Amino acid sequence: QSVLTQPPSVSAAPGQKVTISCSGGDSNIGNNYVSWYQQLPGTAPKLLIYDNNKRPSGIPDRFSGSRSGTSATLGITELQTGDEADYYCATWDNSPRLIVFGGGTKLTVL
Amino acid sequence: QVQLQESGPGLVKPSQTLSLSCTVSGDSITSGGYYWSWIRQYPGKGLEWIGYIYYTGSTYYNPSLKSRIAMSVDTSRNQFSLKMSSVTVADTAVYYCARKSPAAYTVNIDYWGQGILVTVSS
Repeated sequence: QSVLTQPPSVSAAPGQKVTISCSGGDSNIGNNYVSWYQQLPGTAPKLLIYDNNKRPSGIPDRFSGSRSGTSATLGITELQTGDEADYYCATWDNSPRLIVFGGGTKLTVL
Repeated sequence: QVQLQESGPGLVKPSQTLSLSCTVSGDSITSGGYYWSWIRQYPGKGLEWIGYIYYTGSTYYNPSLKSRIAMSVDTSRNQFSLKMSSVTVADTAVYYCARKSPAAYTVNIDYWGQGILVTVSS
C-alpha cells in the first residue's frame, strides 16, 4: 500500500482535459514539494513536474501541477493519444524520512 | 545529455546478494552536487525508492531496506553501485538508477536509466 493515494485509472477523450489527484498527509505532501512522473509503456519514468508546479525544460505547458494542503493535482489539457501512460506523484515523507511514490494512475485517451 | 546505464545479472538465487552497477555518461558524477539514486519498480508497477549516494560516498537509504543494502561510488569509472543481500522473491523488480537534484527538499529526479529486470528465483 502506497503512502500517497492516486486513482487507479482515469480516462478522457482527445482534446479534453483531465486531472489526476494524489492524496497524502501532513508528514508528506502537507510539508514537502511534490513531483510528477510520466511512464510510457516499456520505458523509464520521466519527470513532468517538480516543486509542485514547475516544468522541466521541454515539457509543454499542457501539463500543470498544484498542491493544496495534503493533496496534489496533475492537470493535462488538450489530451493526445501519446499521453496514454502511467502517472506517478512523489514527495518526501518526514516520518520516517524517505522518498515515497503514489501507486500510479493509468491514463487512457479514448 | 546525461545518460545512465544499469548492468548486472538478471537472475539471482534466493538468499544471495544482488549486485548492480550504473555507468554515467555525459557528465562527471562528481559535478553539480547531484544524488545518485536507485529506485525499483515491482511487476505490479509500484515504485519504491531504495536510496542514494553522493560522490563523496555519503549515503541515505530507505529505512525499510537499510539493513540489507550498501551503495558505493567509483568516481574514476564514473559509476555507482548497489548491493542488496539476502534477497527473496519479493525483491524481483525492475531496478533503475537515476539522478536526483542537489536540493535536499525536492524529489526532482531528472535522469533515469532504462532499467534492468532482476528476477529472484532458484
